[in-house]
Amino acid sequence: KAGVTQTPRYLIKTRGQQVTLSCSPISGHRSVSWYQQTPGQGLQFLFEYFSETQRNKGNFPGRFSGRQFSNSRSEMNVSTLELGDSALYLCASRAGTGGPGELFFGEGSRLTVL
Amino acid sequence: GENVEQHPSTLSVQEGDSAVIKCTYSDSASNYFPWYKQELGKRPQLIIDIRSNVGEKKDQRIAVTLNKTAKHFSLHITETQPEDSAVYFCAASRGSNYKLTFGKGTLLTVNP
Repeated sequence: KAGVTQTPRYLIKTRGQQVTLSCSPISGHRSVSWYQQTPGQGLQFLFEYFSETQRNKGNFPGRFSGRQFSNSRSEMNVSTLELGDSALYLCASRAGTGGPGELFFGEGSRLTVL
Repeated sequence: GENVEQHPSTLSVQEGDSAVIKCTYSDSASNYFPWYKQELGKRPQLIIDIRSNVGEKKDQRIAVTLNKTAKHFSLHITETQPEDSAVYFCAASRGSNYKLTFGKGTLLTVNP
C-alpha cells in the first residue's frame, strides 16, 4: 500500500507570494490533516478535512486555507507569504471514522520564504 | 483549547539506561494520548497510544502511563538503544474531535 505522498518536497518563495502544497493520502483514507512543524514549536495543527469538508481548524490566520477533493487528495494554500511561514508542512491521513487513531504522515513539504 | 506541555526538551542517556518523558494536558475531556517518534529527516510515526479508560500500556521496551486525575501521561523506554535516538512527541485529543494537540517534542540521544 502506498504511503502518504506530498509534493513538492522543497520550495523557495519570496515574501508576498503564495504557495500551494499537495497531499495524496493512503488509499481508502478519507481524513487528511495538515500540520506546521518549526524548530521549538513542534507540530501545530492547521486543519483537517474529511469527505471534502473541513472538520477542524487550528489557530492560524486566514492566509492559510485548504481543500479536499472527491478522491480525498488535499491541497493547502498559503497566501501573502511571510518570513515566519518558513517551515516543514506535514500532511497526515487516517481512515477518519471509528474514533481517533493512528495518523500516517507524509515526508513533508519544506517551505523557505525569503 | 487544549494545551500540552512536554518535558524535558532534551534528554541524554547511556545505552541500556531507561528514559522517561512526561506530558501534561489541560483539557480534562481529552481521552486519547498517542506518542510519535520522529527520526532525523524522517516523518513522525506512531509508537504507542493509550485511551483514557486504561492506566498503562506496554509494547516490548516501551510503555505509557496515564494519570487522569493529575492530567499527565508519560512515556517510558527501557534498555535504550542508539536507534531510539529521535525526537518524541506526545499528543492529546478528545471525543469525536480528531484534532491532535502535540507537545513541543523531546530530543532523546542514546549514547553508545
